[in-house]
Order: sequence, then C-alpha cells, then structure tokens
Amino acid sequence: SAVISQKPSRDICQRGTSLTIQCQVDSQVTMMFWYRQQPGQSLTLIATANQGSEATYESGFVIDKFPISRPNLTFSTLTVSNMSPEDSSIYLCSVVKIAKLNTEAFFGQGTRLTVV
Amino acid sequence: QKEVEQNSGPLSVPEGAIASLNCTYSDRGSQSFFWYRQYSGKSPELIMSIYSNGDKEDGRFTAQLNKASQYVSLLIRDSQPSDSATYLCAVNIKDNYGQNFVFGPGTRLSVLP
Repeated sequence: SAVISQKPSRDICQRGTSLTIQCQVDSQVTMMFWYRQQPGQSLTLIATANQGSEATYESGFVIDKFPISRPNLTFSTLTVSNMSPEDSSIYLCSVVKIAKLNTEAFFGQGTRLTVV
Repeated sequence: QKEVEQNSGPLSVPEGAIASLNCTYSDRGSQSFFWYRQYSGKSPELIMSIYSNGDKEDGRFTAQLNKASQYVSLLIRDSQPSDSATYLCAVNIKDNYGQNFVFGPGTRLSVLP
C-alpha cells in the first residue's frame, strides 16, 4: 500500500490568487496523478506528474493554469493559478504502485478548495 | 476514447439486501479492474480488485469479471447503512504511454435502515 499526505486539507481563497497543494508519499512511486472532483461528480484527471520532466496534461487543462512540480519520486505539487470561483473543487493526489501480481491506485485525503 | 460506464443511481436497497453495482468498459486491452468506495467529502478507498474472469469474494463483497462481455460488477451482501456511499469502478489500461487508470462516473448507493 501507500500512505499519502496531502496538504492543505481545505482552503478558502480570493479570486485571482494562487494555491499550491502538496502531496507526499511514504515510498518511491513512479506514477503520480492529480485529479479534480467537483461536487457530485466523478474524478477528472488533470495531469500525470512526471519526475524530472514536464507534466503530461489532459485535454482541457494547461500548464499555465495548473503548474505541477515533481522533484523526486515521493513528492509533487499542484498549483491552481489565478483562481476563479469555477476552480472551487476537491483536488486529489493519486499514486499507482505497480507490483508483479497487481497494480493499485491510492489517493491522498484531498484538498477542498473554495474560491470567493 | 477509453471509457468506463456506470449507472449513476441512486441505487436504494433495504438493509440486509444484496446491492448489485455494474460497470462496463470499452477498452479490450484493460488488464485490471477495481472498485473504490467514496464517502461524501472523503477520498476514494480501494475495496476490491480483480484481474481474471470469474468471481472474487472478500467478506460481504464479491467482484465479478467477464472480459468477453467487458463487464465487471460488485455485489454487497447483507447491506448495511454504513455501505451508503458512491462506488467508483476503475480500469487499469496499459498502452504505449504507460499505465493509466480510468474511472467511471460512480454509482451512489443508499442503504435504507
């Protein structure tokens, strides 16, 4: 398994500001992802955080709005830039651990962001 | 487009009944299949994984996989009010770009006391 610490757990931010969310894993993982989950909706993949190179963004998400860092195999940050009320959502860090017999995804506790 | 489909619900069952949650997926290259439970305001937690055709049982939970029909289901026996949550089906796909988890929209289950 993997223990993921995600900070902050929640925040209320003014529009136009930026928030950086941190994700710390208790072991080295190759694959780390950032998701957004709006109220009552399922998970939407924002990007794959790649160690040592630029993140891979999904359609509809761009680096200028959601810059991601991945300095090593246990840590990543997601920044939500120039926030607007439409960015109010839960943001989730996820890691995938690949083993010989199985592959599993684990999630951080999530960051509940409210933009006012 | 790799897709995972689920009925959004809500699915309501009385306490003690069997809850049946269904999921279909579009990519025949899918290798691994998962059910996650998500309580309101919490992050998803893994409850079952299944990798080969047939049934896999874990306590009150049974996952069923039929790769020919591209179908995976989750049965919850003796449903309890504490089982009320959203259940997310996820499929692990391995392609030229690496491994990718694709999540369904989730089925909201309500167990009525």
